[in-house]
Amino acid sequence: GESVGLHLPTLSVQEGDNSIINCAYSNSASDYFIWYKQESGKGPQFIIDIRSNMDKRQGQRVTVLLNKTVKHLSLQIAATQPGDSAVYFCAENRGTGRRALTFGSGTRLQVQP
Amino acid sequence: NAGVTQTPKFQVLKTGQSMTLQCAQDMNHNSMYWYRQDPGMGLRLIYYSASEGTTDKGEVPNGYNVSRLNKREFSLRLESAAPSQTSVYFCASTAGTSGRRGAYTGELFFGEGSRLTVL
Repeated sequence: GESVGLHLPTLSVQEGDNSIINCAYSNSASDYFIWYKQESGKGPQFIIDIRSNMDKRQGQRVTVLLNKTVKHLSLQIAATQPGDSAVYFCAENRGTGRRALTFGSGTRLQVQP
Repeated sequence: NAGVTQTPKFQVLKTGQSMTLQCAQDMNHNSMYWYRQDPGMGLRLIYYSASEGTTDKGEVPNGYNVSRLNKREFSLRLESAAPSQTSVYFCASTAGTSGRRGAYTGELFFGEGSRLTVL
């Protein structure tokens, strides 16, 4: 069925390395995507978003790439830090008129010192 | 500026009991949402309110009711709690209007969550 999913449930990286978290989506009508970070015991926090008319968007140490051809979304974190350890969710708006996001199941990022 | 505030943070219920989760936002947002999060899963939408005076079902509405009391407040009620409703519940809000961006706009701001256990 249509869903937002993630390829890797857990990603372990060394401090200072770059991290790439991937997300696949299956609804070609999705027009807006967001990455959220959730630390233990807290609510999700916005990281970066991208609209479907864009391929790439950069923030501070983060970049989101959107490949509509293969329905793939990725989050790149440069110079990963211990504070980046968290669960990361991609979410999509499916463009159906419902004003709500559909979330993937999440990837846990573990940063090794 | 508190953002999104949920109460209570923790609650233990017995099967069949009822309770209401309260949510308030002070950002003058139009849209509010209730999600549940189960271990190893993403957030699933229970109900949402696109604007004051409206509510709509999400993916998993069964067993829940909501009230958009005013622009600030959006409550979630469990009329007869079941063990399957053990979860962490998150309230969220966004400025989101139909506007020039279409059906959905902008970042969701989340509360800290309410951990509910139904025995």
